[in-house]
Amino acid sequence: EVRLVESGGGLVKPGGSLRLSCAASGFSFDYYTLTWVRQAPGKTLEWVATIDSSGSHLYYADPMKGRFIISRDNAKNSLFLQMSSLRAEDTAVYYCARDLRVSSRFLLGFWGQGTPVTVSS
Amino acid sequence: DIQMTQSPSSLSASVGDRVTITCQASQDIRNYLNWYQQKPGKAPKLLIYDASDLETGVPSRFSGSGSGTNFSFTISSLQPEDIGTYYCQQYDNFACIFGGGTKVEIK
Repeated sequence: EVRLVESGGGLVKPGGSLRLSCAASGFSFDYYTLTWVRQAPGKTLEWVATIDSSGSHLYYADPMKGRFIISRDNAKNSLFLQMSSLRAEDTAVYYCARDLRVSSRFLLGFWGQGTPVTVSS
Repeated sequence: DIQMTQSPSSLSASVGDRVTITCQASQDIRNYLNWYQQKPGKAPKLLIYDASDLETGVPSRFSGSGSGTNFSFTISSLQPEDIGTYYCQQYDNFACIFGGGTKVEIK
């Protein structure tokens, strides 16, 4: 069974940093593209960043460029999101998601339960 | 940048009704469009990919159609368990964007 478990969310002050983790199990981790998606309270889904299976190609939504870094450790079956210069508008539930197929990208077939991030003074 | 306009933002229908949601892209996106269902407090679930392909295990009352700029998602016979919010998602090789969502309620 594919399982994705996010952690690392919490309360952080504006301008602060936070590192989210996503522990994966139940599949060959190093075969799949992985993505972070967030959802602010009462709002739509917002794509954050995507990393390919090898970690060689990284893709970011414009609001996150220069502030967020996506990475992965294939030896530890883990995905990360390093967030810095956090703003109130970064407050959201952050989901990690796996592509449905080895060959696909942005076809988000499996999701974690999400980890909440609150940016407030 | 491509914009996705999803409508309506909410709807209320009776059990057994046919329900249709539309998504319009600001430019041709071929069939690079997926549909997700999100129930309250839960993660989204993929229902339809590449505009019209039904994900494995998804009931056949769900369907999608369209290509280019105009897409639709249909529930042929609304069931009580279908309540939630539905999102379209456009993608290309480098990015994706979600529509604004449609909240579906039972009348």
